[in-house]
Amino acid sequence: GEDVEQSLFLSVREGDSSVINCTYTDSSSTYLYWYKQEPGAGLQLLTYIFSNMDMKQDQRLTVLLNKKDKHLSLRIADTQTGDSAIYFCAESYNTGKLIFGQGTTLQVKP
Amino acid sequence: NAGVTQTPKFQVLKTGQSMTLQCAQDMNHEYMSWYRQDPGMGLRLIHYSVGAGITDQGEVPNGYNVSRSTTEDFPLRLLSAAPSQTSVYFCASRTGRGGGRHEQYFGPGTRLTVT
Repeated sequence: GEDVEQSLFLSVREGDSSVINCTYTDSSSTYLYWYKQEPGAGLQLLTYIFSNMDMKQDQRLTVLLNKKDKHLSLRIADTQTGDSAIYFCAESYNTGKLIFGQGTTLQVKP
Repeated sequence: NAGVTQTPKFQVLKTGQSMTLQCAQDMNHEYMSWYRQDPGMGLRLIHYSVGAGITDQGEVPNGYNVSRSTTEDFPLRLLSAAPSQTSVYFCASRTGRGGGRHEQYFGPGTRLTVT
């Protein structure tokens, strides 16, 4: 079945690293994504990883994928107050469907 | 390009009323989707379409109908609104080709309240 789970809340201090975790159940997904949503706005694509990759780095963002455990993480280095938002992981299928997790609210304290 | 547009931005309905949420995109995208966002539930897929004339159900399709007669438009119909349909609705689109297929564009959302 299709299910994506995330922890609901993470609080960090400015300058620290943030790690947001996600688990998924369906191994037939093709790509895994991280989206960011700021208050009152739609979703913005941050980065994505192909399901046969282990890691992807994009400036302050590092995505790690453990296919055996179906675990995806997003690490944000040097977290800033502007990074405060809700972060969603999502998995896509060849059919075109995109299934989202519940979202993790990241709070960055000065 | 206007991107993905949604109308209306806000709507209040009484239980049992019907309405259509409009979604349009001008990027010639094949894939279009409707999601609802509820607190603590994330985004849940209602219906999606991989091209004109083709639609399929997502995770929570009950109470909603869609059609895709053109590439540009993907309206979502509520036939008989219920309070459980109070939510923020997002429409999204993406291309099915090349590297751009990873970029899903979201509309600004429609905030619907059913009393």
